[in-house]
Amino acid sequence: LAKTTQPISMDSYEGQEVNITCSHNNIATNDYITWYQQFPSQGPRFIIQGYKTKVTNEVASLFIPADRKSSTLSLPRVSLSDTAVYYCLVGAYSGGYQKVTFGIGTKLQVIP
Amino acid sequence: GAVVSQHPSRVICKSGTSVKIECRSLDFQATTMFWYRQFPKQSLMLMATSNEGSKATYEQGVEKDKFLINHASLTLSTLTVTSAHPEDSSFYICSATRIAETSDDEQFFGPGTRLTVL
Repeated sequence: LAKTTQPISMDSYEGQEVNITCSHNNIATNDYITWYQQFPSQGPRFIIQGYKTKVTNEVASLFIPADRKSSTLSLPRVSLSDTAVYYCLVGAYSGGYQKVTFGIGTKLQVIP
Repeated sequence: GAVVSQHPSRVICKSGTSVKIECRSLDFQATTMFWYRQFPKQSLMLMATSNEGSKATYEQGVEKDKFLINHASLTLSTLTVTSAHPEDSSFYICSATRIAETSDDEQFFGPGTRLTVL
């Protein structure tokens, strides 16, 4: 399983765009990149998933360069409710399931 | 869609007792369910992977005789913490994956169960 590295914490003001970058230098060919959000005492919540290039949904964008050794989660115009821990995961579909390893995550603090 | 529930959400028990935690996929059939443990201010640690009708696969360092996992159906997996001790106090989270049609399926996480062993 590919190991991921993210900043431990980030601060941002409300209304700003936040970019969190994750390094995964030994990502395998069949690995996908998934980002989750976790609030205290809750289970993680899926944000976005991608394989290459750019993926966008209603809450975030995910940028993946051609070498796939890193990825950047972009949160547009964050609000106080976006204060949470964000996890970058890399894992593969293997025999019917996607086994992933959680890193330490990035604790995002949104400031009024 | 794709909701995973856990029961109970919070449990307090005495040392030496056993505690059962249920994980259910409410609106989909789960090929695989995962059990994680999360200590305060730490990341999620995968404990085991369970597939319906077969024995669970435990991660290194996780005692299979202490953390019993039963995946009896495609919508239910249970984790039993046997002879719980205070060091087993943690936040236990399950997740489930759907029967995938493509290779980019995601895990759907339950809300977690807070176990406190006195």
